[in-house]
Amino acid sequence: EIVLTQSPATLSLSPGERVTLSCRASQSVSASLDWFQHKRGQAPRLLVYEASNRATGIPARFSGSGSGTDFTLTINSLEPEDFAVYYCQQRINWPLTFGGGTKVEI
Amino acid sequence: EGLLVESGGGLVQPGRSLRLSCVASGFTFSPYKINWVRQAPGKGLEWIAEIDSGWSHIYYGNSVQGRFTVSRDNVENSVSLQMNRLREEDTAIYYCARRRDASGYYYFDQWGQGTLVTVSP
Repeated sequence: EIVLTQSPATLSLSPGERVTLSCRASQSVSASLDWFQHKRGQAPRLLVYEASNRATGIPARFSGSGSGTDFTLTINSLEPEDFAVYYCQQRINWPLTFGGGTKVEI
Repeated sequence: EGLLVESGGGLVQPGRSLRLSCVASGFTFSPYKINWVRQAPGKGLEWIAEIDSGWSHIYYGNSVQGRFTVSRDNVENSVSLQMNRLREEDTAIYYCARRRDASGYYYFDQWGQGTLVTVSP
């Protein structure tokens, strides 16, 4: 199975800061990688699909990049509602796998 | 946009069974593949199963293969997850998610709020 490694595990930041989250795959997933935001007690929310496409309704401060094995989710100018856990997911091979998550905290 | 609502969670002893349900509304259900994803306490997300509209393609994660069975009813707009021989490590919030297919790729665009399953003696 493809292992996704996210780094760092936790980021402590302030509103207004720019953040870059990393997701590295154990083998190439081409562009078959998505990013989700997850807050406690809520449904996960799709942010970016196919590595770099913002999902419907997602603010422009969120952007994704990368292909192959190295991917990045960037949040420009953190808003208070952006403090959450972020997961990457690959869907090129079964079983589908998620990264371990990066917690963005205040 | 649509809504997915999970139910059926609860407290169950190890070795017993439980059946979860995911009911869809607000969209045309039958064409969509539906997935189950879970989150154990303090852990990340784990994909566990997918079913397509006609039951012709069903996939399971390694940790539940042979114990869990997914099914669906396109008349009732629902997907079920039958969980047998439950283990304490199956304790998690279980989410269902809709898979949206595009040209050459797909993604999970709609998720439910989840239902909590606790497996404990």
